[in-house]
Amino acid sequence: GESVGLHLPTLSVQEGDNSIINCAYSNSASDYFIWYKQESGKGPQFIIDIRSNMDKRQGQRVTVLLNKTVKHLSLQIAATQPGDSAVYFCAEGYTGRRALTFGSGTRLQVQP
Amino acid sequence: KAGVTQTPRYLIKTRGQQVTLSCSPISGHRSVSWYQQTPGQGLQFLFEYFSETQRNKGNFPGRFSGRQFSNSRSEMNVSTLELGDSALYLCASSSRVAGGDLNEQFFGPGTRLTVL
Repeated sequence: GESVGLHLPTLSVQEGDNSIINCAYSNSASDYFIWYKQESGKGPQFIIDIRSNMDKRQGQRVTVLLNKTVKHLSLQIAATQPGDSAVYFCAEGYTGRRALTFGSGTRLQVQP
Repeated sequence: KAGVTQTPRYLIKTRGQQVTLSCSPISGHRSVSWYQQTPGQGLQFLFEYFSETQRNKGNFPGRFSGRQFSNSRSEMNVSTLELGDSALYLCASSSRVAGGDLNEQFFGPGTRLTVL
């Protein structure tokens, strides 16, 4: 079932290229940030997180960058594959209040 | 280890009715959060339960309620359904530890609610 917005910004990349997805967050008090991937008909899947005392964190093929000065978060995906096609959400939260605030999402389309 | 399960997966109701959705967290997880996802508003936090107590609540009317059982399973209820309640309702579980430290939240596949 369709689970995402109809008018999401879309990033289209060629297979093998690197992808960069950006996100602006709203709450200066947020100290925890997460990137999720959501495929059609599924719930969001955790990709990587970062705490506010860091500005970069790397995972397998993914890197998250945090710029607290301008409240900006980015997700870099190396060597993008067709299986990476999905909607990507950033989310912010802060210790003491578990609720996550999600961004509006970006659709990533990988062209073979 | 089984993931988060939600039942039912799809539901059709009419305005004015009420609905109950169920979520079973990952075994050992004691925190369950609920989110509403719509095309217009995106993903919005409804509430979180831990040890059978509501710990956090989002900005939703009182028609939206929930509870958690001693086995950590959770239900959410929406009364007097409105057309705008049509959405994907997602449940997330995590191994919340005392002190409020944030841990990774694992989402279920969601329940697609359609209100006619």
